[in-house]
Amino acid sequence: QQPVQSPQAVILREGEDAVINCSSSKALYSVHWYRQKHGEAPVFLMILLKGGEQKGHEKISASFNEKKQQSSLYLTASQLSYSGTYFCGTPTGVYGGATNKLIFGTGTLLAVQP
Amino acid sequence: IAGITQAPTSQILAAGRRMTLRCTQDMRHNAMYWYRQDLGLGLRLIHYSNTAGTTGKGEVPDGYSVSRANTDDFPLTLASAVPSQTSVYFCASSDSNRGSGYTFGSGTRLTVV
Repeated sequence: QQPVQSPQAVILREGEDAVINCSSSKALYSVHWYRQKHGEAPVFLMILLKGGEQKGHEKISASFNEKKQQSSLYLTASQLSYSGTYFCGTPTGVYGGATNKLIFGTGTLLAVQP
Repeated sequence: IAGITQAPTSQILAAGRRMTLRCTQDMRHNAMYWYRQDLGLGLRLIHYSNTAGTTGKGEVPDGYSVSRANTDDFPLTLASAVPSQTSVYFCASSDSNRGSGYTFGSGTRLTVV
């Protein structure tokens, strides 16, 4: 049931774009995205709810396609501060509300170089 | 500053010993969670609580117990620690009634030897 993230790691130069994907084998009602810097706690970025909406945080946006059971995180014109590990989280329960106990993907390591 | 406080920050524990990791939040969130993070495995849910007085098992509950006597506190107990419980433990909370994301504590790094 753990969502699958791809790629596992990506290295960028400042200003380049990246896409991180999150796919689930079960029906999704919502997807969370978090960023974790080395040695720190994960930090909430955004929630996407059923309906295919897109959301944004700084120059980071995301889409959610419940039919394909996947979400994508878009990082535009990346900055050094974007470096870290990105996790998607999906609700475990049948309820699948905006917040439920989450199962997290194994993460995507993003390194932005000068 | 509103948030979650975890204690201790780190601990080295002898196998077989009992240990309680503390977690306190001041945001009045109804839901709280305990995750462990291991390299290559991501964050795995140990136990959760949707509201004070109730708890539930997550993906990897064996060897751990929790209690939720009030809204703010959610301690995690290892009854008899084993080396496989060496990990970084994160406590988190959320306002599930408003659909908020998780707020995580700064973590406890536990080494069982």
